[in-house]
Amino acid sequence: AQTVTQSQPEMSVQEAETVTLSCTYDTSENNYYLFWYKQPPSRQMILVIRQEAYKQQNATENRFSVNFQKAAKSFSLKISDSQLGDTAMYFCAFMNYGGSQGNLIFGKGTKLSVKP
Amino acid sequence: NAGVTQTPKFQVLKTGQSMTLQCAQDMNHEYMSWYRQDPGMGLRLIHYSVGAGITDQGEVPNGYNVSRSTTEDFPLRLLSAAPSQTSVYFCASSYGLGTDTQYFGPGTRLTVL
Repeated sequence: AQTVTQSQPEMSVQEAETVTLSCTYDTSENNYYLFWYKQPPSRQMILVIRQEAYKQQNATENRFSVNFQKAAKSFSLKISDSQLGDTAMYFCAFMNYGGSQGNLIFGKGTKLSVKP
Repeated sequence: NAGVTQTPKFQVLKTGQSMTLQCAQDMNHEYMSWYRQDPGMGLRLIHYSVGAGITDQGEVPNGYNVSRSTTEDFPLRLLSAAPSQTSVYFCASSYGLGTDTQYFGPGTRLTVL
């Protein structure tokens, strides 16, 4: 069974600085997707970034980028120029490509606080 | 598009009561699912559906029923509520299973006394 591990329950960063959130996963599959979701105090689950395992290039979305290391099964999220609105829970998630095992598997989350 | 909608936003039940959490999407997504979120546990899959008339169990299905009579709607039924079902419930949808990003509703916070 696939598992997702986020080893940092809580992190904090000063506004305008850079922070990296860690995620590791375990799978024997070769084709899959990885996601980072953000959950602010409003509780809404918001997609931050997505990575397809077959792509070697790391995904980027504005201030958000990932460091995807397939051999090491690592998928970290870097937030540059942190803003107060980035304060939220961040969940790393894994999804098998296709078939009956294609549901999302979540880590337990990292609570990020951005301080002014 | 309204995206994925859930009702109600909040609900308080007494042990043994039954209720239905509603989920609807207007994106013509085939895949829909229900997750529960407990403190320190992340999100866990309850049930999912890959199309009208087709449902299957996830990681934590006990105490919940689902059906999918239309593409748009995927209600979650609690048959006899228990305090262990106190949680935040999220509905999600995507075009396909394992082929597309899942989009989440705003969640329902359920308390069972």
